Amino acid sequence: GQNIDQPTEMTATEGAIVQINCTYQTSGFNGLFWYQQHAGEAPTFLSYNVLDGLEEKGRFSSFLSRSKGYSYLLLKELQMKDSASYLCAVSSQSYNTDKLIFGTGTRLQVFP
Amino acid sequence: DAEITQSPRHKITETGRQVTLACHQTWNHNNMFWYRQDLGHGLRLIHYSYGVQDTNKGEVSDGYSVSRSNTEDLPLTLESAASSQTSVYFCASSDYRGNTEAFFGQGTRLTVV
Repeated sequence: GQNIDQPTEMTATEGAIVQINCTYQTSGFNGLFWYQQHAGEAPTFLSYNVLDGLEEKGRFSSFLSRSKGYSYLLLKELQMKDSASYLCAVSSQSYNTDKLIFGTGTRLQVFP
Repeated sequence: DAEITQSPRHKITETGRQVTLACHQTWNHNNMFWYRQDLGHGLRLIHYSYGVQDTNKGEVSDGYSVSRSNTEDLPLTLESAASSQTSVYFCASSDYRGNTEAFFGQGTRLTVV
């Protein structure tokens, strides 16, 4: 079966650093994605990890440990506009594609 | 610029009616997906397609159907709308490779009364 867990809500202060964790159990693994979704909008791509380690993209970094079924998204120098839901999604291995299975999302509120 | 569009953006329908939600992408992507998003459940996969004439059931496919007659379109049909199908529906597309991001449409908010 497929199971992806992440915290429901988190709060942080502007300028701070926050880490959003994601654990997963899937049948087959072809990579892990993080998406950002502002209220009332479509999800937008943030990062992709397929190998163990850290991927850095500006203020956002994502880490993956395949042996532990664990990933985190690290947001630095938080800004008010970072208030959004962050969705962890696993690409389950198939013969030719990335069927994305999503966690329930973590709603992040950034306070001044 | 390439894009993925959904229509309508909002719809109210009555229980028992057939409803079709449109999804059109100009990315020339092979893969297309339909998700529904409900509070407490996140995005759940309804149906997906790997190419023309190919359709597959996702985890919550009961009461829904799709057809893929061309690369650009994957319409989602609710055969007989039920109140439990009140939700926000997202269409997405991606390239055939497994390591590429999916692009999402803006969503359709469907209310079944």
